Amino acid sequence: ELKVEQNPLFLSMQEGKNYTIYCNYSTTSDRLYWYRQDPGKSLESLFVLLSNGAVKQEGRLMASLDTKARLSTLHITAAVHDLSATYFCAVSHTGTASKLTFGTGTRLQVTL
Amino acid sequence: NAGVTQTPKFQVLKTGQSMTLQCAQDMNHEYMSWYRQDPGMGLRLIHYSVGAGITDQGEVPNGYNVSRSTTEDFPLRLLSAAPSQTSVYFCASRSGSAQVNEKLFFGSGTQLSVL
Repeated sequence: ELKVEQNPLFLSMQEGKNYTIYCNYSTTSDRLYWYRQDPGKSLESLFVLLSNGAVKQEGRLMASLDTKARLSTLHITAAVHDLSATYFCAVSHTGTASKLTFGTGTRLQVTL
Repeated sequence: NAGVTQTPKFQVLKTGQSMTLQCAQDMNHEYMSWYRQDPGMGLRLIHYSVGAGITDQGEVPNGYNVSRSTTEDFPLRLLSAAPSQTSVYFCASRSGSAQVNEKLFFGSGTQLSVL
């Protein structure tokens, strides 16, 4: 059974600081997703990571994947208030791309 | 371009009532799926479909039925609503193409309360 663990569950950080969210998963997978969710809203796709060593960056967010360690990280650089949201990682079941197991989410609060 | 459309946005049911949550996509996506989101938890997969006429169970299928008669539509049926089914429901779709970077697109969600 595929299990996905995220930590921390809640993160309060000041603007301008850097931090990393971690996503561990229990079995082999062929892709990993990162999503953002604002309160009361749907999920917005941030990154799709496919291979070992994959790194993707957009703005102040950078995601990486280590398939050997079964670990993905979402690094936040110089946080700004607009990044306040809940971030989810999700791992696909091998061979079934639409069957995802989600982590419990990391609620990020960026304070001024 | 509407993307993934879910209706209704809000619904209140009494225990034992039945209803159907609608999901439609206009992107000609092969893959469609239903998730539920409970407070403090990630999304959990209820049912999914890899094409018209093909459905399969996810992690939490009990109490829900689905069918996929067309590529565009993937309705979720609650047969006899229970308070444990109070949740936010999301429909999602994805292309079945060989482009492995294809994202999963989510609808705006249906907030369901069962009293």
